[in-house]
Amino acid sequence: EVQLLESGGGFIQPGGSLRLSCVASGFTFSSYAMSWVRLAPGKGLEWVSAISAGGHNTYYADSVKGRFTISRDNSKNTVYLQMNSLRAEDTAIYYCAKEVPVDVSFDYWGQGTLVTVSS
Amino acid sequence: QLVLTQSPSASASLGASVKLTCTLSSAYSSNAISWLQQQPEKGPRFLMKVNNDGSHIKGDGIPDRFSGSSSGTERYLTISSLHSEDEADYYCQTWGTGVQWVFGGGTKLTVL
Repeated sequence: EVQLLESGGGFIQPGGSLRLSCVASGFTFSSYAMSWVRLAPGKGLEWVSAISAGGHNTYYADSVKGRFTISRDNSKNTVYLQMNSLRAEDTAIYYCAKEVPVDVSFDYWGQGTLVTVSS
Repeated sequence: QLVLTQSPSASASLGASVKLTCTLSSAYSSNAISWLQQQPEKGPRFLMKVNNDGSHIKGDGIPDRFSGSSSGTERYLTISSLHSEDEADYYCQTWGTGVQWVFGGGTKLTVL
């Protein structure tokens, strides 16, 4: 059974930093690209960042470029999202998602971790 | 610009059917899309991928009550024999070069 378990969310002041983690199980983690997607209060889903299976290629939404960094450790079946210079508008539930290769789909999602940015 | 448009809300009675629509911006009319279901307090769940020819591939364990179809720039999700647990937010999603992944605004489905 595929499982994705996020952690690392919390309450942080504007300008602060957080690192999210997503531990994967039930599939060959090193063979799949992964993404982070967020859901802000009262809004819809927004793709945040993606990383290739081997970790060599990374992609970011314009809203987080230069502030967030995605990485992965295939030996630990874990993908990370380092979030710096956090803003109130980054407040959201952050989900990690497993990509279907060469496809438009994310076929498995985690339960999410809540990040609240407020003074 | 790649945009997916969804109606904000829909409603239907228990046991009835409902058809949700996701409209692609015209330049991306050949794109496949995915449908996701997000029940309250849960992570999104992949329902299916719908191709521009109307064929669809479902995710693991998705009931036969869920089906997909397509016409032009529109992609549809039909849910038949509505259950109370089908009350959820439904999102469509696709991918575009340079923009990566794009989501529709979501449709909140109420089961009456």
